[in-house]
Amino acid sequence: KQEVTQIPAALSVPEGENLVLNCSFTDSAIYNLQWFRQDPGKGLTSLLLIQSSQREQTSGRLNASLDKSSGRSTLYIAASQPGDSATYLCAVHTPTYKYIFGTGTRLKVLA
Amino acid sequence: EPEVTQTPSHQVTQMGQEVILRCVPISNHLYFYWYRQILGQKVEFLVSFYNNEISEKSEIFDDQFSVERPDGSNFTLKIRSTKLEDSAMYFCASSDGQVDIQYFGAGTRLSVL
Repeated sequence: KQEVTQIPAALSVPEGENLVLNCSFTDSAIYNLQWFRQDPGKGLTSLLLIQSSQREQTSGRLNASLDKSSGRSTLYIAASQPGDSATYLCAVHTPTYKYIFGTGTRLKVLA
Repeated sequence: EPEVTQTPSHQVTQMGQEVILRCVPISNHLYFYWYRQILGQKVEFLVSFYNNEISEKSEIFDDQFSVERPDGSNFTLKIRSTKLEDSAMYFCASSDGQVDIQYFGAGTRLSVL
């Protein structure tokens, strides 16, 4: 069964710090992995999508990497800002288990 | 910027009643999805829909659930006889392609009493 785990569960950092969020999955048979942010009481916003054949994707201050063989992805956020405060979710799309989400990392960036 | 819209934002219903949650996906998207998130728990995939039929569904999506695209713009999720455990936030999403970025609506909070 595909399990998706995110660590840490919560993170509090001062503004300007670079940070790394981790996502691990147990079954490497995935189509892609997607990183989302979720603001309280709101829907999900897709940040980056990495296809299974890709190693990384970048968008602005965000960089996501994928190591399918080890079942790991990281989301790197450069020069964090208070507006980055949100819950960050990773999700894998798989042939067998469809879309499986992690429990998320709750990020707070302090001004 | 185009967005996915969901109505209502909050739906309260009695156990055993039928509910229909509505979504208007982004107009040129071809794939549509429903997810749910029980308070404090993970987001869970329910179903994906393409070309007027279900393309994938999870174990959660049993006979109590159905989806429909009644016209060119709406995408609905029906729960036939709601249970207390159906209380959750339900999110609709749409995408250009099956392996493309999904755009989510703000969700409908369903409260079953």
